[in-house]
Amino acid sequence: RKEVEQDPGPFNVPEGATVAFNCTYSNSASQSFFWYRQDCRKEPKLLMSVYSSGNEDGRFTAQLNRASQYISLLIRDSKLSDSATYLCVVTGGSYIPTFGRGTSLIVHP
Amino acid sequence: DAGVIQSPRHEVTEMGQEVTLRCKPISGHDYLFWYRQTMMRGLELLIYFNNNVPIDDSGMPEDRFSAKMPNASFSTLKIQPSEPRDSAVYFCASRLTGVAETQYFGPGTRLLVL
Repeated sequence: RKEVEQDPGPFNVPEGATVAFNCTYSNSASQSFFWYRQDCRKEPKLLMSVYSSGNEDGRFTAQLNRASQYISLLIRDSKLSDSATYLCVVTGGSYIPTFGRGTSLIVHP
Repeated sequence: DAGVIQSPRHEVTEMGQEVTLRCKPISGHDYLFWYRQTMMRGLELLIYFNNNVPIDDSGMPEDRFSAKMPNASFSTLKIQPSEPRDSAVYFCASRLTGVAETQYFGPGTRLLVL
């Protein structure tokens, strides 16, 4: 079983739609969780951290379920500019990250 | 502030040649990471340094790969000899301990080995 697993997609949604991605991780001792965004032919960039209590940043909501070992990202009112690959990141001791392979999102007019 | 700087941005070489990738981390960051990204395997951690010391190189694919960090502002990843299967995007990232564990990536080097 891979350490961090994501549905590669692509998720193809119209503008204004709500879309959700899940990510599962295998190490129950994982400490920190993040979502990164990677645009085509660009480097990954931090989108948001994921806290146990859940957190929201504008149209983006991230949640963590430690019991089931998954994290989620919800995007409301999708914009064309949200089209990208979303990488799930899990860290263990020393905060060394393990990246998922990413979920591709395509938002169309 | 300048972000992580990588050079070259693109490299095309022939099989058997030596390739050297360079990275300048963000000033003051004490961790430096080298990653490789391919369609097949995603983003893989190759090696990371803390305060210029290599901590874990278990991700380095084989002896053809080596990495150094002679000082806090410079690191190299060398492939000798290069092979077509080394073709990938190589990212360098840096991080400051105690600051939300956020990694900052450089723009990457796109390597094509013919």
